[in-house]
Amino acid sequence: NAGVTQTPKFQVLKTGQSMTLQCAQDMNHEYMSWYRQDPGMGLRLIHYSVGAGITDQGEVPNGYNVSRSTTEDFPLRLLSAAPSQTSVYFCASSRADYNQPQHFGDGTRLSIL
Amino acid sequence: AQSVTQLDSHVSVSEGTPVLLRCNYSSSYSPSLFWYVQHPNKGLQLLLKYTSAATLVKGINGFEAEFKKSETSFHLTKPSAHMSDAAEYFCVVSDRDGGSQGNLIFGKGTKLSVKP
Repeated sequence: NAGVTQTPKFQVLKTGQSMTLQCAQDMNHEYMSWYRQDPGMGLRLIHYSVGAGITDQGEVPNGYNVSRSTTEDFPLRLLSAAPSQTSVYFCASSRADYNQPQHFGDGTRLSIL
Repeated sequence: AQSVTQLDSHVSVSEGTPVLLRCNYSSSYSPSLFWYVQHPNKGLQLLLKYTSAATLVKGINGFEAEFKKSETSFHLTKPSAHMSDAAEYFCVVSDRDGGSQGNLIFGKGTKLSVKP
């Protein structure tokens, strides 16, 4: 009963490096999303997807790319990391309806030096 | 557009005393409202949700919340705090402006401390 799995749990990057944060869910959920959490800011939506092949921007999309080739996977890419992207990143999934609770992964703690 | 305001960034209570975490919301629609809890270095876990059924919603671990439309509030309460309740709590409204996909709008969080 894995739920939402995020990898890696921790990562340190240098400015300008690229990387992909992985997110996988095994609940056949249509809706998946990425949030970043910064102190005192709550969680802010980066990108989301309502199904395979469909993605859209959230509140803070700049500097991030996503794709959704399968129902299960929703990777988040940083093309050229910047110190402002130092944060904790959470992936979530749910049924595609506004009143469905989100299931969250345990997060990826990312530091950009 | 929807928004959420958590009125206290930090609440401290003694073990065995009541807990009150305050949340006000703004929504053009009949909202869906949630409370999530985050323990240190963990993801978020759903405590309870309101989706236009009963206005008093019971959640896990003895928490409950009351939806008050006239006050646009959704405060979280628990009669007796336990040490294990120490965590950060987020009030969340579901954004229906863009359709049915349910993007979440988070409050900034309330950190609950429980003293022995």
